[in-house]
Amino acid sequence: SYELTQPPSASVSPGQTASITCSGAKLGDKFACWYQQKPGQSPVLVIYQDSKRPSGIPERFSGSNSGNTATLTISGTQAMDEADYYCQAWDRSTVVFGGGTKLTVL
Amino acid sequence: EVQLVESGGGLVQPGGSLRLSCEASGFTFSSYEMNWVRQAPGKGLEWVSYISSSASVIYYADSMKGRFTISRDNAKNSLYLQMNSLRADDTAVYYCARATTYYVFDYWGQGTLVTVSS
Repeated sequence: SYELTQPPSASVSPGQTASITCSGAKLGDKFACWYQQKPGQSPVLVIYQDSKRPSGIPERFSGSNSGNTATLTISGTQAMDEADYYCQAWDRSTVVFGGGTKLTVL
Repeated sequence: EVQLVESGGGLVQPGGSLRLSCEASGFTFSSYEMNWVRQAPGKGLEWVSYISSSASVIYYADSMKGRFTISRDNAKNSLYLQMNSLRADDTAVYYCARATTYYVFDYWGQGTLVTVSS
């Protein structure tokens, strides 16, 4: 079965750039999306189709996907961006989530 | 405003059954694919099942096949998940999520907690 791998944790200083990776076999051949989840809340879509931002998502969120790795980048990270982030893709009639990355804004 | 409201969660004994519901509003429910996603306490997201807009196509995660049944009633703007033979590791918050092109989940409900315990 298809798997997506994310680092369990990442940290960033306020105002700096955070990058969270998601790895999977030939992931670049699929569309990847990203969800943000804060404690006690439902997930929120922040990036879809590799690099598109839904309405209402700040421009500091961006995404890319090539080869075996998709990357979520948060530029000028703010304290409010501290959350769990999950990548997701679709493979052979199955939706797959990565294990999630806890982003800490120090 | 798009709203998805889950209900039906609760405490159930191992081997028992439960039926979850998700009531949709604020959009044309019959035009959208829907999914169930769950999250065990302190764990990550796990996709459960998908149903097309007309219910003609249905998919399940391997661990749910044969035990869970997804369905929808477009006249009632509602999505359902019938869960049978429940196990302790089915304990989770269950979310319904609307899907757009390429299985992107653009709206999620608030979730309903299912606890399987004796």
